[in-house]
Amino acid sequence: GESVGLHLPTLSVQEGDNSIINCAYSNSASDYFIWYKQESGKGPQFIIDIRSNMDKRQGQRVTVLLNKTVKHLSLQIAATQPGDSAVYFCAENWGYSGGGADGLTFGKGTHLIIQP
Amino acid sequence: NAGVTQTPKFQVLKTGQSMTLQCAQDMNHEYMSWYRQDPGMGLRLIHYSVGAGITDQGEVPNGYNVSRSTTEDFPLRLLSAAPSQTSVYFCASSYSPDRVRSPLHFGNGTRLTVT
Repeated sequence: GESVGLHLPTLSVQEGDNSIINCAYSNSASDYFIWYKQESGKGPQFIIDIRSNMDKRQGQRVTVLLNKTVKHLSLQIAATQPGDSAVYFCAENWGYSGGGADGLTFGKGTHLIIQP
Repeated sequence: NAGVTQTPKFQVLKTGQSMTLQCAQDMNHEYMSWYRQDPGMGLRLIHYSVGAGITDQGEVPNGYNVSRSTTEDFPLRLLSAAPSQTSVYFCASSYSPDRVRSPLHFGNGTRLTVT
């Protein structure tokens, strides 16, 4: 996932515009990818997922794109609303393997700020 | 359907004290896990369980114990609290042990401060 040291990267967009949040994953064996949204003071909330046999998946106002060649994942949010303001992070899953590795790695997140 | 429930929401401990963070899920999920979230560090796995009676260590297990006597409950015990354990703790669960095609469901966290 994304890694930027001590501070989360920030994406500031105008209300009504489309937002694109990017994530680079690390494990070529990962076959399942998830995007989460975390609002202030709450736990991460599942948004959308995609399997490695797909390039694109759409939900309500959200689209996830997967580029396995460059190990890149993106989340597109259409017509961004104030309620979309949150930290978004991706997760890659290569399957449970036991012995201290549960097969899931989270990115550190991107803070999406909506400008009125 | 309550999902994943964590208690307490907030806790302040003195160094050396012990306590248990509670986690319960009502979705009949086999897999449960505990994470801590610190600024700039993302989510780090403490312990996880693939079913009742089975637990395993994650990335940062030192200072924490877990047990899984039932499918529903997965408590996290802090043995002797240290300031380095000040963090937000999240419990999560999912359907299958290998969690392929199965996203984690998270609780709303316990914010712990150790003084």
